[in-house]
Amino acid sequence: GIQVEQSPPDLILQEGANSTLRCNFSDSVNNLQWFHQNPWGQLINLFYIPSGTKQNGRLSATTVATERYSLLYISSSQTTDSGVYFCAVVRGTINEKLTFGTGTRLTIIP
Amino acid sequence: NAGVTQTPKFQVLKTGQSMTLQCAQDMNHEYMSWYRQDPGMGLRLIHYSVGAGITDQGEVPNGYNVSRSTTEDFPLRLLSAAPSQTSVYFCASTTRGVSSYEQYFGPGTRLTVT
Repeated sequence: GIQVEQSPPDLILQEGANSTLRCNFSDSVNNLQWFHQNPWGQLINLFYIPSGTKQNGRLSATTVATERYSLLYISSSQTTDSGVYFCAVVRGTINEKLTFGTGTRLTIIP
Repeated sequence: NAGVTQTPKFQVLKTGQSMTLQCAQDMNHEYMSWYRQDPGMGLRLIHYSVGAGITDQGEVPNGYNVSRSTTEDFPLRLLSAAPSQTSVYFCASTTRGVSSYEQYFGPGTRLTVT
């Protein structure tokens, strides 16, 4: 099956710093999404981004499908950004069959 | 809108017992999924449904059954619990647009099998 690798596995930053999270995948994909899991376990969909660039407030994401990677940018980090960020992909045509990476744990220190 | 609800929040089972994890959504979404999350890992798909009466297997379906008799409900049944099924279980429903795709997750059920 498709492999999804995320880096770095852990990231600790001061409030106000910027960060870049990376997701590499081993094969071509039809769907790529970014999720945030907060420290209480709640999962939130951030971006659906199989290709191109999207922005939502302080967060933006870019996927370069031909080179099999995606980047999530967080600017001016806040403590509420802490948690685990997951990248998930779909190899085939059934968008529900997501394969998740193991995540990047982000800790923002006040 | 309650979104996606899951019950129970916590459950302890003995090996061999059976139980049903409940999931309901009030957003009229056709697509629903069940995932499990083990410590330090991402989510793995157990089963999914693309509409009432239609279900299919995901990556780790063994030991679990699902059915989808209504749009709103998507219960997950553990047939004979095993310690390997200790995990946090998430249910999700999905909305699709022309160029968008978004999952809404429930709060999770933390299951321990002893």
